[in-house]
Amino acid sequence: GAVVSQHPSWVICKSGTSVKIECRSLDFQATTMFWYRQFPKQSLMLMATSNEGSKATYEQGVEKDKFLINHASLTLSTLTVTSAHPEDSSFYICSANLRITDTQYFGPGTRLTVL
Amino acid sequence: SQQGEEDPQALSIQEGENATMNCSYKTSINNLQWYRQNSGRGLVHLILIRSNEREKHSGRLRVTLDTSKKSSSLLITASRAADTASYFCATELDSGYSTLTFGKGTMLLVSP
Repeated sequence: GAVVSQHPSWVICKSGTSVKIECRSLDFQATTMFWYRQFPKQSLMLMATSNEGSKATYEQGVEKDKFLINHASLTLSTLTVTSAHPEDSSFYICSANLRITDTQYFGPGTRLTVL
Repeated sequence: SQQGEEDPQALSIQEGENATMNCSYKTSINNLQWYRQNSGRGLVHLILIRSNEREKHSGRLRVTLDTSKKSSSLLITASRAADTASYFCATELDSGYSTLTFGKGTMLLVSP
């Protein structure tokens, strides 16, 4: 079946640094990928919709300059958390849309801890 | 393997009927969450039920949780065509960390 990977699976960084998270569809092409974040014991929150070859669509309240999304190819989308702060510590998960079946496949998530 | 597994994989019903989807999981959880996804769109959160809760309601939605059987069900009553979507359960493990794991989803088709 379709597989989505994320890298890294967890990262610890210092405040003020930038962190890049990759989301890859391993055996299918995904024109659309979604980025979510989740705080402990809370529900998932959609951050943005990443479209291959065009600008991402951000949800209200999500800072575009803070969370940079690049969907440069049909199998890769990246989320860069710029100038990370402790409040950015969260679980980030991506999903990729397999267009032919209109099915979503989720990555395993990336746990970000900002010290 | 996936922590959460939904069944059925697909469900087709008529408007007005009830739709029931099930989710099973393997390990202890902190909470279980249900999401809906319309075609080509991002997930929409429906209900979060904690491990110490057995049932929650939200409008036409009813979620049950049986931790002894490690299963949950989502019931949509009096379904409407607009309920047509994919429904996912996600489990947050009772591990002290934030780790949400999704099942493969149930595709629900509600015909007028």
